[in-house]
Amino acid sequence: GNSVTQMEGPVTLSEEAFLTINCTYTATGYPSLFWYVQYPGEGLQLLLKATKADDKGSNKGFEATYRKETTSFHLEKGSVQVSDSAVYFCALSKTGGYNKLIFGAGTRLAVHP
Amino acid sequence: DGGITQSPKYLFRKEGQNVTLSCEQNLNHDAMYWYRQDPGQGLRLIYYSQIVNDFQKGDIAEGYSVSREKKESFPLTVTSAQKNPTAFYLCASSIEKEIYGYTFGSGTRLTVV
Repeated sequence: GNSVTQMEGPVTLSEEAFLTINCTYTATGYPSLFWYVQYPGEGLQLLLKATKADDKGSNKGFEATYRKETTSFHLEKGSVQVSDSAVYFCALSKTGGYNKLIFGAGTRLAVHP
Repeated sequence: DGGITQSPKYLFRKEGQNVTLSCEQNLNHDAMYWYRQDPGQGLRLIYYSQIVNDFQKGDIAEGYSVSREKKESFPLTVTSAQKNPTAFYLCASSIEKEIYGYTFGSGTRLTVV
């Protein structure tokens, strides 16, 4: 079945470090892929998305490229800030039928000054 | 501005009592969802509804009930049959097209005292 696997956290970085959070997926067909961010005590916010192979989603300095050959959608940022500390969720949409998102387990990022 | 509103932000319940969490959206979305999130954990789907007057069980529906009498509203009742109700509850909505993902509310933190 469809599934999403994220790297386990927490990921701890110093400010201005390079960030990579790995995400791989298993799916039939051609799903859309998403990254959501959750700040402490809040709901999830859509960070970026890609809807077809080789698309690059970007927002707020974060980027992720839809790689069908490796079934991956890794999240990257060149220089993290303390304010980026949050939990990041990778997700895919199930194609066909109703719009059902399948989430990864989430990766906590902690950025220190 | 369109959005999805959950209330209250914090809720306390005595053991043995039912409690209802509110979720309202003015995005004209057809589908609505309820998720449960435990500390440090990912999201688990409780119930979802694709259209008014219809809903389906998710992965952890036992001890919960929902209704969908209006397109804008999808209240969740946590019943006394739910053994471990203390958690963070997230409501979301979406349109049918999977490329748009979900819009989430800010969540309700339920604590059993």
